Amino acid sequence: DAGITQSPRHKVTETGTPVTLRCHQTENHRYMYWYRQDPGHGLRLIHYSYGVKDTDKGEVSDGYSVSRSKTEDFLLTLESATSSQTSVYFCAISGTGGYGYTFGSGTRLTVV
Amino acid sequence: DAKTTQPPSMDCAEGRAANLPCNHSTISGNEYVYWYRQIHSQGPQYIIHGLKNNETNEMASLIITEDRKSSTLILPHATLRDTAVYYCIVRAYSGAGSYQLTFGKGTKLSVIP
Repeated sequence: DAGITQSPRHKVTETGTPVTLRCHQTENHRYMYWYRQDPGHGLRLIHYSYGVKDTDKGEVSDGYSVSRSKTEDFLLTLESATSSQTSVYFCAISGTGGYGYTFGSGTRLTVV
Repeated sequence: DAKTTQPPSMDCAEGRAANLPCNHSTISGNEYVYWYRQIHSQGPQYIIHGLKNNETNEMASLIITEDRKSSTLILPHATLRDTAVYYCIVRAYSGAGSYQLTFGKGTKLSVIP
């Protein structure tokens, strides 16, 4: 989607290794979110950010950490990846006023 | 957040209107109704949202009942490209500008040629 990019698009990693996913926006939006999507569960919120260095936990935050050192980047880190973290990860952004989220194209992560 | 109920799947003939229902009987006065869709494995796409009044944009129309306990998303002339999972979401405005949208399982709409 224009204005928001996720990297990498695909990643295979081994159990126990650290993994960082990046979300980059060019919209200067205040709010950024990380979701994961698994079959049978829909999208579930992991963490979100409401400004630089301001983050909070979502529904499924265990095993994940985030950082936001500048407006345009929101990083999701799996400190020690597990097979249960195999999923598709989506980043989203929104501005004040609440006219919906814009989602990235997703990162497909496989932990073997 | 108020809970929403949607049918798991629906079919619609190409060129006809697709009417996707959503029940949100526990909605409160300051909660908005949002609709998103997800085509195949892409990121969800914002469609429309509303509070009380009916809304229309270039993609769809949103009809909210007077008691606000249910709503219908209308795609006026469905095309094959409208085949997707459609999510109805209810969320209160937080006052800080952030909408932490909670996605359910949605309705899988299949547009039939």
